[in-house]
Amino acid sequence: KQEVTQIPAALSVPEGENLVLNCSFTDSAIYNLQWFRQDPGKGLTSLLLIQSSQREQTSGRLNASLDKSSGRSTLYIAASQPGDSATYLCAVLKSYNTDKLIFGTGTRLQVFP
Amino acid sequence: EAGVTQFPSHSVIEKGQTVTLRCDPISGHDNLYWYRRVMGKEIKFLLHFVKESKQDESGMPNNRFLAERTGGTYSTLKVQPAELEDSGVYFCASSPLGQARAYEQYFGPGTRLTVT
Repeated sequence: KQEVTQIPAALSVPEGENLVLNCSFTDSAIYNLQWFRQDPGKGLTSLLLIQSSQREQTSGRLNASLDKSSGRSTLYIAASQPGDSATYLCAVLKSYNTDKLIFGTGTRLQVFP
Repeated sequence: EAGVTQFPSHSVIEKGQTVTLRCDPISGHDNLYWYRRVMGKEIKFLLHFVKESKQDESGMPNNRFLAERTGGTYSTLKVQPAELEDSGVYFCASSPLGQARAYEQYFGPGTRLTVT
């Protein structure tokens, strides 16, 4: 059974810091991995999608890496800003015959000025 | 382009009552998914439509939940009768068909359901 874990559960940093959020999964047989952010009371916004054949994806100040063999993904946020404060979720698409995303419990990030 | 929309944004009902949640996917997206997050837990998959057909309903908790997608456009999720443990946030997502699973799932804002 696939399980997805995110560490840390919460993180508070001063503005300007570079930071790394971690996501690990127990079954390396994934099709892709998606990072989302969720603002309080809002829906999920997709940030990056990494296919299983890819090693990383970049969008602006965000960089996500994927190491399938070790069951890990990291989301790197450069030069953090207060507007980055949100909950960050990773989710894996398990295998070829399902579209079911399996989510981690998230990392709650606060960036203070 | 409009995103995934859900209605209502918040619903408060009493135990035993019926509630119907609605999801309008992004236009042209044949895949439609329902997920939910109950208090303190991770978001979990409920079911997946491809057009009007149920592709995977392995996450539906019990037969009090009924999902439909008539005509392959919007979808409804009915809970009847609602129980206290059904409280949570219900998310809908959609994605295009084709290039199997190469696409992101786009999520709506969710419906917060409170059963008292």
